[in-house]
Parts: sequence; structure tokens; C-alpha cells
Amino acid sequence: GAGVSQTPSNKVTEKGKYVELRCDPISGHTALYWYRQSLGQGPEFLIYFQGTGAADDSGLPNDRFFAVRPEGSVSTLKIQRTERGDSAVYLCASSARQGYEQYFGPGTRLTVT
Amino acid sequence: GQQLNQSPQSMFIQEGEDVSMNCTSSSIFNTWLWYKQEPGEGPVLLIALYKAGELTSNGRLTAQFGITRKDSFLNISASIPSDVGIYFCAGYANAGNNRKLIWGLGTSLAVNP
Repeated sequence: GAGVSQTPSNKVTEKGKYVELRCDPISGHTALYWYRQSLGQGPEFLIYFQGTGAADDSGLPNDRFFAVRPEGSVSTLKIQRTERGDSAVYLCASSARQGYEQYFGPGTRLTVT
Repeated sequence: GQQLNQSPQSMFIQEGEDVSMNCTSSSIFNTWLWYKQEPGEGPVLLIALYKAGELTSNGRLTAQFGITRKDSFLNISASIPSDVGIYFCAGYANAGNNRKLIWGLGTSLAVNP
């Protein structure tokens, strides 16, 4: 079946702009995770959804970052007033249930100029 | 945040050689996951381990969940050029919540044909 998909694959934006990154999880997966990965590092946890609700958003770096999953499937990560330090690859993963194996999408490479 | 100790940091081997890498933690884990990541891609799940002492294979890859529940290793037999990539261990800690994966810093593998 289809894996996790993310759009866009690449996004270049100017400092101060607003961006939205989309994640389509594996069908039927109730858990969805967002990560950020910088070059040479492992994935850094941002937020976790169980169904429609954000069960753990402790990894969001500040209030410019926000994510939603209104129908318990597709999720959107929103970044306001982007800064150059936000440049990274944003990864999405889904899981059949909490505490289970996570399957990752290809990521969105965000570049803030 | 908490991280796993993953070693070695990098390896450069000849095609056909066997490879071994491991992850250790100061606390007990109840799940170990091994991922491979290639440039421009998201991490791909290789093996999932859920029981102490469990030994699981996936083709030329074998991983074990340490009996103390504080470590795991991944072996690759008869390496080939397409094994090149970064291998990450990750796991859910027993204490606290099982919502967040804790990650190692990765082992970068290069294979000389």
C-alpha cells in the first residue's frame, strides 16, 4: 500500500514568510509524528498526534510553530514568521498505534533565505 | 534531551565484509527500532524489536534486543555497495511515556566496492 507522503518535497521561502507543510500518513494509522532533521543529526521530535488531538507538542521550538490534524488523517505543520534557523528537513511519520514502529515520509526540505 | 549512545560513528569497509554497530542506554527500553537513511530520503525501518533477548533477521541484516533491555545491536553480513547510508537506532524508553522515540546519532557506513 501507499506509504507516508509529504508535500512539497522542497520549499524555499524568504525570512518572515509563512509556510505550510503537509503530511499524508499511511491509511488507518492513528498516530502521526512530526520531526525536524538538520544535516548530520538524527530526527528531532516536534509533535505527536493521536487521532485529531496533539497528544504531545513538547518538541515545538516556539509559538511560531503549530500543527493540526483536523480529521485524524492529513496533518499540516505551520510555521509563522520563518527564520533562517528554521531551515531543515521536516519529516513526518505515522504509526498504527502509540509505542509501535514508525514509518517515515521522504521529508520536506525547507530553506529560509 | 535523552539520546542513545550509538557506535561506531562511522565505518569504512570493503565490499563483502560483515558490519556490526550497537546502541546503549542508561535506562531500560521496551522497544528498539533500526532505521537506514540515504541522502534526500526519510529513514526507512529495517527491523523492530519488542522483547528482551529477541533476535530478528531481515535478509542480510540481524538485530538483537539486549537481555538487559539497555542495548541493541545490528549486524550486516556480506556488505554490498547499496548498504551505504546512515543507520539509526531508536527506541521507546520504559519509564515515562512511549510517545517519543529516543534516537542515536547514527552510524555512517561507506562500502568500498
